[in-house]
Amino acid sequence: QSALTQPASVSGSPGQSITISCTGTSSDVGGYNYVSWYQQHPGKAPKLMIYDVSNRPSGVSNRFSGSKSGNTASLTISGLQAEDEADYYCSSYTSSSTLLYVFGTGTKVTVL
Amino acid sequence: QVQLQESGPGLVKPSQTLSLTCTVSGGSISSGGYYWSWIRQHPGKGLEWIGYIYYSGSTYYNPSLKSRVTISVDTSKNQFSLKLSSVTAADTAVYYCARVPFYDYVFSYWGQGTLVTVSS
Repeated sequence: QSALTQPASVSGSPGQSITISCTGTSSDVGGYNYVSWYQQHPGKAPKLMIYDVSNRPSGVSNRFSGSKSGNTASLTISGLQAEDEADYYCSSYTSSSTLLYVFGTGTKVTVL
Repeated sequence: QVQLQESGPGLVKPSQTLSLTCTVSGGSISSGGYYWSWIRQHPGKGLEWIGYIYYSGSTYYNPSLKSRVTISVDTSKNQFSLKLSSVTAADTAVYYCARVPFYDYVFSYWGQGTLVTVSS
């Protein structure tokens, strides 16, 4: 089972919007609405930002939004802020083999 | 709000067994409704799901680690544990425990993580 594919890095200026993609297959991202996104600052644990493709947990800024089209899910951060600089990982349920969960390769977001 | 905290040795010798415990506070494991999971992250790398356990003791493991992994639960202490046998340097990683809702496939709460180094 291969990891979901994310761009290695994405950057933007404060106030701009950026989008991170997460590409899988019909056995994971494309087949189920169980895509989640996690933010990880250096030396810290991942934090859930989006679940079930587009739902935000309580307390997460509405600047974060998620969507999906076909086998690709996306995380959009609008009104980019310095505190958004972190690594971001997507994850999905998978019906391929008996793995259950597959993570993305991770994307480093840099605020210029 | 639920909190999870990993504990265990930070250094393990090759071929030995890695043992970690996750203590849960702010909620009872035995109340059900959640799977209790272990995830690891190799230095500078991505995340890898190891497995999970339900309060009843039912387990599910990553097939690539299944032969070496055991996850157990102690509801009296509100803890669950990870054992990984026959470790090598490739098992050096930060190990996280996390909670997964029974009806979903999302890691909603995470522990802070603990670094385990495999070295002689």
